[in-house]
Amino acid sequence: AQSVTQLGSHVSVSEGALVLLRCNYSSSVPPYLFWYVQYPNQGLQLLLKYTTGATLVKGINGFEAEFKKSETSFHLTKPSAHMSDAAEYFCAVSEDTGFQKLVFGTGTRLLVSP
Amino acid sequence: NAGVTQTPKFQVLKTGQSMTLQCAQDMNHEYMSWYRQDPGMGLRLIHYSVGAGITDQGEVPNGYNVSRSTTEDFPLRLLSAAPSQTSVYFCASSYSLTSGGNEQFFGPGTRLTVL
Repeated sequence: AQSVTQLGSHVSVSEGALVLLRCNYSSSVPPYLFWYVQYPNQGLQLLLKYTTGATLVKGINGFEAEFKKSETSFHLTKPSAHMSDAAEYFCAVSEDTGFQKLVFGTGTRLLVSP
Repeated sequence: NAGVTQTPKFQVLKTGQSMTLQCAQDMNHEYMSWYRQDPGMGLRLIHYSVGAGITDQGEVPNGYNVSRSTTEDFPLRLLSAAPSQTSVYFCASSYSLTSGGNEQFFGPGTRLTVL
């Protein structure tokens, strides 16, 4: 069964600093990987996803993530944090075997200080 | 398109009461699901449906029932509410199971408190 580990329940950065949110996955078959963002009191919104092909994936709002099979990782980065990036971020994995159930990590709350 | 809508936004129940959380989507999506979100636990799948008339259990199905009589609607029923069901509930939908990596679209959530 697939699983996701997000290191760090909270990450604090200053505005303009690099954002790095870590995600490691476990999957018995080639995975599909996702990052979702949840702003306060809202539902989840897709930031980006990896299915096949290019391992560096670009998403919305300047975020990107790199799929590294050898490290079973899919870390999320943004070169320069903005105050509006403050939110909770979820990494998720699914497998292309029949029903594509999404398995979520426990989430990382990003705090951005001025 | 309204996307995925959920009602109510907030609900307070007493232990033992029953209620139905409503979910609807207007995107003609085959797949719909219910998740609950609890602090430090991420989102966990309760039930899902792969089409009208077809439902199955997810990771944490106990205490919940679902049905899917139409493509658009996927209500979640709490049969006898317990304090352990205090949570935020999200409904999600996606277009198809057969294409890899389909995005799931989430509703705004229902915040449920069981006293």
